[in-house]
Amino acid sequence: DAGITQSPRHKVTETGTPVTLRCHQTENHRYMYWYRQDPGHGLRLIHYSYGVKDTDKGEVSDGYSVSRSKTEDFLLTLESATSSQTSVYFCAISVRGSGGAPTDTQYFGPGTRLTVL
Amino acid sequence: AQKVTQAQTEISVVEKEDVTLDCVYETRDTTYYLFWYKQPPSGELVFLIRRNSFDEQNEISGRYSWNFQKSTSSFNFTITASQVVDSAVYFCALRSGNTGKLIFGQGTTLQVKP
Repeated sequence: DAGITQSPRHKVTETGTPVTLRCHQTENHRYMYWYRQDPGHGLRLIHYSYGVKDTDKGEVSDGYSVSRSKTEDFLLTLESATSSQTSVYFCAISVRGSGGAPTDTQYFGPGTRLTVL
Repeated sequence: AQKVTQAQTEISVVEKEDVTLDCVYETRDTTYYLFWYKQPPSGELVFLIRRNSFDEQNEISGRYSWNFQKSTSSFNFTITASQVVDSAVYFCALRSGNTGKLIFGQGTTLQVKP
C-alpha cells in the first residue's frame, strides 16, 4: 500500500461540464503522475509532476490540465469534458532516489472511472 | 521512439498449465527499466517486478519467472502451474530517462479456467 487515494472513485458527468479528479498521497513523494486507461491502449500518461507547482505534459495531455499546490495533492482537471475522455484514470507516485531522480517503482492509486455522457 | 508491444491480446489456459506472456520493447537508451504489472478483475494495478537494463539475470518468484533478453529486446513473463487467481490483465512497461514516465504495452488478458 503506497498510501495513494483517488477521489471520486466513480463519476458520471455531461459533455461540456468541468471535472476535477483528485489524487492524494501520504508519503511525501516528489513525483506524481496521471494516466488514463482505455481498451487496446494500455495506460497512457496525461501529465506528471516533479514537485510543487512543477508539472509537465505527457503523451495525451490535450483537454487536460493539472495543478499541484501541495506535495500531497495532484489534481487533474477536464475543463470541458468530452465523450472521448470517458476512461479510467489512475494516479501514480514514484519514490525519490538519490539526487531527486525517480529511480524506484511506480505505485498506482485505485483509479477513478469517469463517464462523460 | 520508445514502444512496448504485447502481441498477445488474450490468452486462455486450463488450470495447472504453464503460460508465457510476451513483451517486446523499443528504446534507444542504454539505461532503462522494465516492469510487469497485474490488473485483476477488481481493477487495481499491482506491481510484480522491475528489471534494470544492465541486469539480464532471469528471476523467479514462486510460480512466476521472467526472462530478460537484450539481444531480442524482450522481457517475457512465465506463470508455471497457472491458477484461477492468475486471471487478470498483465501489462509490460518501459521507463527511461529521469522523469520516471512509463510507456505501457496494450496488455494481455489471461483467463485461467478451472
